[in-house]
Amino acid sequence: EPEVTQTPSHQVTQMGQEVILRCVPISNHLYFYWYRQILGQKVEFLVSFYNNEISEKSEIFDDQFSVERPDGSNFTLKIRSTKLEDSAMYFCASSEVRGNTGELFFGEGSRLTVL
Amino acid sequence: AQSVTQPDIHITVSEGASLELRCNYSYGATPYLFWYVQSPGQGLQLLLKYFSGDTLVQGIKGFEAEFKRSQSSFNLRKPSVHWSDAAEYFCAVGPRSGGYNKLIFGAGTRLAVHP
Repeated sequence: EPEVTQTPSHQVTQMGQEVILRCVPISNHLYFYWYRQILGQKVEFLVSFYNNEISEKSEIFDDQFSVERPDGSNFTLKIRSTKLEDSAMYFCASSEVRGNTGELFFGEGSRLTVL
Repeated sequence: AQSVTQPDIHITVSEGASLELRCNYSYGATPYLFWYVQSPGQGLQLLLKYFSGDTLVQGIKGFEAEFKRSQSSFNLRKPSVHWSDAAEYFCAVGPRSGGYNKLIFGAGTRLAVHP
């Protein structure tokens, strides 16, 4: 069964360092998303991406965050200068069609710990 | 404000017992409704979804959920719980138009199953 894969599964970094989280969405999907879950809190939408550009972003997704689809398969989330409060589980997702007529498929998450 | 409330943070049931997980939402209009499950070390897996039509929807793994518009609820049920159902369950809502699947999640309910 096709699945969304994320790497790394866990990353520990020092505050101020840059982090890149990688995702390989399902191959025929067109829409890509990042969500995050701070420990003990809700899963929150960060950003959606379609046709090589951001289609929507939340207020959480400030200038320190960026997303990119550098090739035909990877979808990355970059955090330029990590803060302690960026520690969270980051989920990548993809879907085949726009809006909620298509199911969101989530990866297993990348746990980021900022020290 | 748009929100999803899952009143029960943690539920423990005996194997074979019935289960109901509660979900209430606050949204401008009737949204699309989802239940996701997250097993330890796994990603978010879609259990079931409600878009329209019959308000009782069937999902995978023997789960069902009932949409009650008057109560703004979408409770998840299972008649007989299996030990493998131990996981965290998330209720989520999304817009009926546009939104690129910008889901709003509840805080989750962690289910423990006693043998």
